[in-house]
Amino acid sequence: DTGVSQNPRHKITKRGQNVTFRCDPISEHNRLYWYRQTLGQGPEFLTYFQNEAQLEKSRLLSDRFSAERPKGSFSTLEIQRTEQGDSAMYLCASSGKGDGYTFGSGTRLTVV
Amino acid sequence: AQSVTQLDSQVPVFEEAPVELRCNYSSSVSVYLFWYVQYPNQGLQLLLKYLSGSTLVKGINGFEAEFNKSQTSFHLRKPSVHISDTAEYFCAVSAAVGGTSYGKLTFGQGTILTVHP
Repeated sequence: DTGVSQNPRHKITKRGQNVTFRCDPISEHNRLYWYRQTLGQGPEFLTYFQNEAQLEKSRLLSDRFSAERPKGSFSTLEIQRTEQGDSAMYLCASSGKGDGYTFGSGTRLTVV
Repeated sequence: AQSVTQLDSQVPVFEEAPVELRCNYSSSVSVYLFWYVQYPNQGLQLLLKYLSGSTLVKGINGFEAEFNKSQTSFHLRKPSVHISDTAEYFCAVSAAVGGTSYGKLTFGQGTILTVHP
């Protein structure tokens, strides 16, 4: 297993466009988390899944953001009508019983 | 809800000197505590974690941390730092949900450790 994989590593988009990121967790992990990290800040929780069920979503998350985890495997995070304030690093992590968090390398989004 | 305060935003230190990065947390329930390191343009790497048991936790790369419940602190220490330790360090807390399943993490603002030759 190569750990948590995130694609793309970098994404530059124009304001108003939609973007989608993908996260492939460690295969045995049943929990998957999305975090957002802006410059000079710690990661901020966005949402998490246990298997295919989305169990919690941050109140800070605008309705332009949606996440899915079909079949409890990979997950996608979509941002609609991007704004400059969405520019950040989007981190994915997975965890399973007896195993701690493993983070991916992140997707850096720049909205111009 | 939990919150984390990292008391120093930047810590400069000379190579081979000891270092302490301070972390305080707030929670109304029992917690698990973590320290992560982040190198530029990379994800987070776990240094160490406290779940239960001994309050002195040893991690990778010679780091250790001590859980102090009465002071709600989890300070990170290293007796002798190297240039390669230059990075950003994050303290994080999770509600202790039972067993070894982890809930969401709440992170501090981070401490940038710069090791000078």
